[in-house]
Amino acid sequence: QQQVKQSPQSLIVQKGGISIINCAYENTAFDYFPWYQQFPGKGPALLIAIRPDVSEKKEGRFTISFNKSAKQFSLHIMDSQPGDSATYFCAAKSGNQFYFGTGTSLTVIP
Amino acid sequence: GAGVSQTPSNKVTEKGKYVELRCDPISGHTALYWYRQSLGQGPEFLIYFQGTGAADDSGLPNDRFFAVRPEGSVSTLKIQRTERGDSAVYLCASSTDPRGEQFFGPGTRLTVL
Repeated sequence: QQQVKQSPQSLIVQKGGISIINCAYENTAFDYFPWYQQFPGKGPALLIAIRPDVSEKKEGRFTISFNKSAKQFSLHIMDSQPGDSATYFCAAKSGNQFYFGTGTSLTVIP
Repeated sequence: GAGVSQTPSNKVTEKGKYVELRCDPISGHTALYWYRQSLGQGPEFLIYFQGTGAADDSGLPNDRFFAVRPEGSVSTLKIQRTERGDSAVYLCASSTDPRGEQFFGPGTRLTVL
């Protein structure tokens, strides 16, 4: 059973556009929600993370929106660049375990 | 400084063989995690070490999988009687403590023929 559901599976955006990736969860014990960026042949790298006591967190071009009542959170990439082309994973943490979404392959067209 | 390193980067083995995958965490990181990532999927938790002890091994799929971290630094993931379904990228991550940011290594791609 997938603990964290992620969509879309793939996304194509024009340079300068906004990329939006969504995740949903059911387990209310989750207390930490990170987003990871992964390039081919590399391990995931932390991009930005949020805890459930805030509704939004922004770092540069990256923003997490968090809706605790709906059990949903999303990643927004503003002014998307070709260098942002990668696979993005949302995750949720409960206790010692991280549960990852299935990933979104983002392609930013120049 | 050096990040998390994993060796080998690629491992090809035959069904039924034994393999060992090694992880060198960032120096001073007490928490260490192993994950398995199948093609097109997100990382799947296997085991978590705090220091030398396996604090949570609930993600290990069966008793063919075992991991150790005898001195609280380097960790080895051991897979006995490998099966074709074990083929995946095995990722290691470390952090300063369980609440800290995880830093992932590049992974070991295991192929079981």
